[in-house]
Amino acid sequence: SQQGEEDPQALSIQEGENATMNCSYKTSINNLQWYRQNSGRGLVHLILIRSNEREKHSGRLRVTLDTSKKSSSLLITASRAADTASYFCATDWPGGSYIPTFGRGTSLIVHP
Amino acid sequence: DAGVTQSPTHLIKTRGQQVTLRCSPKSGHDTVSWYQQALGQGPQFIFQYYEEEERQRGNFPDRFSGHQFPNYSSELNVNALLLGDSALYLCASSLAGGLGLGQPQHFGDGTRLSIL
Repeated sequence: SQQGEEDPQALSIQEGENATMNCSYKTSINNLQWYRQNSGRGLVHLILIRSNEREKHSGRLRVTLDTSKKSSSLLITASRAADTASYFCATDWPGGSYIPTFGRGTSLIVHP
Repeated sequence: DAGVTQSPTHLIKTRGQQVTLRCSPKSGHDTVSWYQQALGQGPQFIFQYYEEEERQRGNFPDRFSGHQFPNYSSELNVNALLLGDSALYLCASSLAGGLGLGQPQHFGDGTRLSIL
């Protein structure tokens, strides 16, 4: 089944540094989304990028998509302790009724 | 503007019992999806309800069933509980057709179900 896989599984950085997380997937997609999940909470949508887009920005977040490599990256610039969370990519594919399929996530810890 | 609300927040059951989880979608949304998230894993799609009918279903056994009411709220029922059903159950709402237009789902904070 279609599923994004995030890399690395865990990332530990200092406040002010940039954090980069990657997502790889297997088949053609309609959309790729990134979500954040704080411990014990629900998922919060961050950015959606369509298959015909290559880059999107939202505040300190930058998402890139390379459909030839079937991969995406999420960059968080000037990280803060409040960015500590798990980050998931979710893909949906043609014929999949746009139901997003989630990877296992990257656990990000930002040390103050 | 109320977001997605789920109840209860925590629940403890024993093997073989049955459980019902509840979800109220974000105001204006008419589609509800349910996900199971095991510890350390990403959410796994269970099913989606729209117009009081199950529209899509993931790879979950028939022990998992649901219902959607005329006010768009939804229930998830799990029968004959197994230890492996212990997880965070997430409800997400959206507007019909919105997913195809790139409108994201909105998630509740989930129900933590523990099976003893």
